Amino acid sequence: AQSVTQLDSQVPVFEEAPVELRCNYSSSVSVYLFWYVQYPNQGLQLLLKYLSGSTLVKGINGFEAEFNKSQTSFHLRKPSVHISDTAEYFCAVTYQSGGYNKLIFGAGTRLAVHP
Amino acid sequence: GAVVSQHPSRVICKSGTSVKIECRSLDFQATTMFWYRQFPKQSLMLMATSNEGSKATYEQGVEKDKFLINHASLTLSTLTVTSAHPEDSSFYICSARTSGGASETQYFGPGTRLLVL
Repeated sequence: AQSVTQLDSQVPVFEEAPVELRCNYSSSVSVYLFWYVQYPNQGLQLLLKYLSGSTLVKGINGFEAEFNKSQTSFHLRKPSVHISDTAEYFCAVTYQSGGYNKLIFGAGTRLAVHP
Repeated sequence: GAVVSQHPSRVICKSGTSVKIECRSLDFQATTMFWYRQFPKQSLMLMATSNEGSKATYEQGVEKDKFLINHASLTLSTLTVTSAHPEDSSFYICSARTSGGASETQYFGPGTRLLVL
């Protein structure tokens, strides 16, 4: 079964500092990987996704992620964070079950940006 | 594009009553919709997957008679929490996808906060 591990439950960082949110997945087959952001009391918004091709994926709000097949990782990075980036970030991978393609989510990483 | 709405955004009900939550894809046709449940400070747990015109597929441990899902059209799915109890209080989020392909992005609704008194 596929699984997603987000190694850090919370990441505190100062404004304008760089940040990396870590994500590892377990899968023996080709995967599609996603990062979503959730602001308080809201649904999820897609930040970026890796389907194929270039391993460096650029998303919205200045975020990017790098797919590393050998390390089964898909870490999310931003060179300079803003207060408004404070939110919950979820890494997700697709898997097939019961004939359907579904998303499985990591536990989430709370990014807290301080002034 | 790819906007998903949910209604209501927040609902408070008495124990024993039923609550219906609507999920609509506003600018695309969703062949597949998903219902998730999220407890405070936790990740999303998939409850069920529904395809338009067919019965929903429930995840293990989810009571299909308690959480009724109807996907009557390509733009609307409903989740009805029947005989709600305080432990059903949670944040319910739906998502929609245009096709069954694994690479297709799921678009999420803003969520519905359910509080059962």
